[in-house]
Amino acid sequence: GENVEQHPSTLSVQEGDSAVIKCTYSDSASNYFPWYKQELGKRPQLIIDIRSNVGEKKDQRIAVTLNKTAKHFSLHITETQPEDSAVYFCAASRWGSARQLTFGSGTQLTVLP
Amino acid sequence: DAGITQSPRYKITETGRQVTLMCHQTWSHSYMFWYRQDLGHGLRLIYYSAAADITDKGEVPDGYVVSRSKTENFPLTLESATRSQTSVYFCASSEVEDTQYFGPGTRLTVL
Repeated sequence: GENVEQHPSTLSVQEGDSAVIKCTYSDSASNYFPWYKQELGKRPQLIIDIRSNVGEKKDQRIAVTLNKTAKHFSLHITETQPEDSAVYFCAASRWGSARQLTFGSGTQLTVLP
Repeated sequence: DAGITQSPRYKITETGRQVTLMCHQTWSHSYMFWYRQDLGHGLRLIYYSAAADITDKGEVPDGYVVSRSKTENFPLTLESATRSQTSVYFCASSEVEDTQYFGPGTRLTVL
């Protein structure tokens, strides 16, 4: 089955700096890669996703890049703000497989004011 | 987000007892999922359902039972709770090939 590894497990940045979280996956057939943000005590919420037919996707301060050859994808957050502090999870699945998501273990991002 | 709810939100039970966690969605999504979240493991899929009366195992199904007699409900039962099943349980739903939306979670403690 799919295995997703996520690094780093914790990340602290100064407000205004950029943050990068990286994930690798094992199943070359995976073609859908969402990122979820989970605030303390809350539910995971989708912030951005990418499909394997594109290499990069942006949404305001958030971007995701995908390297299918190397089987890794990354989340980039620019101009970080204190409200970006949360746990971020990457995930991978095959399109057409009932969307069985395999999640990474999470990154605790802390934005220091 | 209000379209998917879970109950109870908190539950304390004892080893060996049967516990049922409820999940209800109002979107008429075809797919529903149960995940457990433990420190260091992220979210792991327990069971999922593609439609009423269609269920299948995920990554960690042992010790759990699911049913789906109606599209909107997807209960998860722990037939004989164990301490290792102490966790936060999230239900999710999605339409075919679409985003998964998560419920608020149930924090279960097994003493």
